[in-house]
Amino acid sequence: DQQVKQNSPSLSVQEGRISILNCDYTNSMFDYFLWYKKYPAEGPTFLISISSIKDKNEDGRFTVFLNKSAKHLSLHIVPSQPGDSAVYFCAAGYTGNQFYFGTGTSLTVIP
Amino acid sequence: DTGVSQNPRHKITKRGQNVTFRCDPISEHNRLYWYRQTLGQGPEFLTYFQNEAQLEKSRLLSDRFSAERPKGSFSTLEIQRTEQGDSAMYLCASSFSGASGANVLTFGAGSRLTVL
Repeated sequence: DQQVKQNSPSLSVQEGRISILNCDYTNSMFDYFLWYKKYPAEGPTFLISISSIKDKNEDGRFTVFLNKSAKHLSLHIVPSQPGDSAVYFCAAGYTGNQFYFGTGTSLTVIP
Repeated sequence: DTGVSQNPRHKITKRGQNVTFRCDPISEHNRLYWYRQTLGQGPEFLTYFQNEAQLEKSRLLSDRFSAERPKGSFSTLEIQRTEQGDSAMYLCASSFSGASGANVLTFGAGSRLTVL
């Protein structure tokens, strides 16, 4: 059973535009959410997190939004840059325990 | 701090052989996780340790898999009698779990297993 879902396997955007990556989860008990970025042949790299007590967290060009009632979170990248091209994973879990990952969205930023 | 280190980076083995992977976490981190990732999938949880105690194991971790973390430092993941379905990237991550609870996982580069 997939507790975290990323329904878009791929996304292409023009450089300078906004990239929006989406993630849905099924377990309403999850209280901490993470986004990771992964390049080929490397491990996932942490990008940004959000706790369930917030609905938005911002870090530079990256903003994560959390909609608890819809069990949905999204990652916004503005402006998108070619170096952002990678696979993005969202993860959800209980604070202090293991995390469940989505299947990833491959982002391509076109120069 | 050199991050999370995993060895070997790539292992090719024949079906039925045993393999062992090693993970050296970030030294201040008290938690260590093992995940497995296959093509087109996200990382799947296998097991995690807090210090030397193995706190949780996934149903994915069959009897052929064993993980240890002696003395709460490095960890090893052994797969006995490998099968072709074991071919995957094995990812190790570490984190610090303290009073605040929330912990961000720092991943290593992974160990890729190919079973022929």
